[in-house]
Amino acid sequence: GEDVEQSLFLSVREGDSSVINCTYTDSSSTYLYWYKQEPGAGLQLLTYIFSNMDMKQDQRLTVLLNKKDKHLSLRIADTQTGDSAIYFCAESGGASGGYNKLIFGAGTRLAVHP
Amino acid sequence: GAVVSQHPSRVICKSGTSVKIECRSLDFQATTMFWYRQFPKKSLMLMATSNEGSKATYEQGVEKDKFLINHASLTLSTLTVTSAHPEDSSFYICSARDRASGLQETQYFGPGTRLLVL
Repeated sequence: GEDVEQSLFLSVREGDSSVINCTYTDSSSTYLYWYKQEPGAGLQLLTYIFSNMDMKQDQRLTVLLNKKDKHLSLRIADTQTGDSAIYFCAESGGASGGYNKLIFGAGTRLAVHP
Repeated sequence: GAVVSQHPSRVICKSGTSVKIECRSLDFQATTMFWYRQFPKKSLMLMATSNEGSKATYEQGVEKDKFLINHASLTLSTLTVTSAHPEDSSFYICSARDRASGLQETQYFGPGTRLLVL
């Protein structure tokens, strides 16, 4: 079945850039997403990218998609302490789930320190 | 816009009782809502897809008689955990898709409900 994998933990210094990586297995995925989850809260959609795009930039966030390698990354520029959270990569539109089903990675915990 | 609420945010119940969790789309209509379960330090697992006016579609391995889903209106879906046991303790999150949005693929998530069964 489909699988989405992420590294579990990332620690960065405040002001530096953070890069969170994700790989997925379903080559027919249509949309790829990044969600942010703060402690005890639900998920907040940060950004998404359509599979025919290579890059999408939204203020401090840059998403890069390498469809050939099935690799997605999220770069956060000038990382702040408020960015500390768990970041989930997800895909939809794949072969078995279609648009209804979001397949999530396990989440990357980003810790920002002074 | 696109706010989804859940109630309660936290519930503690005794083993054997039933618990109802509500998911509401506050400023949009949602023909489709989704129920997820999140284990500690784990990803979200889709439990079921709730369609307004019809039966929910459950994912493989999810007991439909255990997790009753009702989608009575375009803004409300409920998940009832029947005869709860300690292993049902988890963080339950709902999401909703905005019917009017051209971006059908976007799901808006509620803040989650933490269930603890003693």
